[in-house]
Amino acid sequence: GQQVMQIPQYQHVQEGEDFTTYCNSSTTLSNIQWYKQRPGGHPVFLIQLVKSGEVKKQKRLTFQFGEAKKNSSLHITATQTTDVGTYFCAGLGGTASKLTFGTGTRLQVTL
Amino acid sequence: DGGITQSPKYLFRKEGQNVTLSCEQNLNHDAMYWYRQDPGQGLRLIYYSQIVNDFQKGDIAEGYSVSREKKESFPLTVTSAQKNPTAFYLCASSSHDSPGETQYFGPGTRLLVL
Repeated sequence: GQQVMQIPQYQHVQEGEDFTTYCNSSTTLSNIQWYKQRPGGHPVFLIQLVKSGEVKKQKRLTFQFGEAKKNSSLHITATQTTDVGTYFCAGLGGTASKLTFGTGTRLQVTL
Repeated sequence: DGGITQSPKYLFRKEGQNVTLSCEQNLNHDAMYWYRQDPGQGLRLIYYSQIVNDFQKGDIAEGYSVSREKKESFPLTVTSAQKNPTAFYLCASSSHDSPGETQYFGPGTRLLVL
């Protein structure tokens, strides 16, 4: 079945540093979504990418969808303590009728 | 105020006991999902339902059961056959009308085995 992996599993940065998480799918995706889960909370939808090579920005967050529609990345510029949490990608691909969530990247930000 | 509610927030289970986790949504979504999350881990799909009176097994359905008698409700029963039930359980819903089936999550239920 479809598998979605994310790297790194965990990253610890100092406030102000940049952060990037990468998402790789075993199959071509029709779309990719990103979710954020704060510690003790539940995943919250951030954004969806649909087109090959698409780039979207939300303030300090930049999301990219690969040309082959099998990978994606989330880049955070100048991290803040409010960015702490686990970031999940989720893809809808092939004949799948449901999203497949990635393994997640946990981000820790310290002052 | 639309959304997904899960109850209880915390649940304690004794060995050999079945427990049922509640999930209700008033978003008029057709699809509902149950995920299990272990500490520091990702989301693993237990069961999902695309329509009332129909549901499918996810990746880790053994030891769990569900029902979907109403569009708004998708309760999950953790049976005594589930040998390691301690986890964070998340319910989600999505609309077939929304592009990519964006999922909306409830606040979750933490299940602890005594």
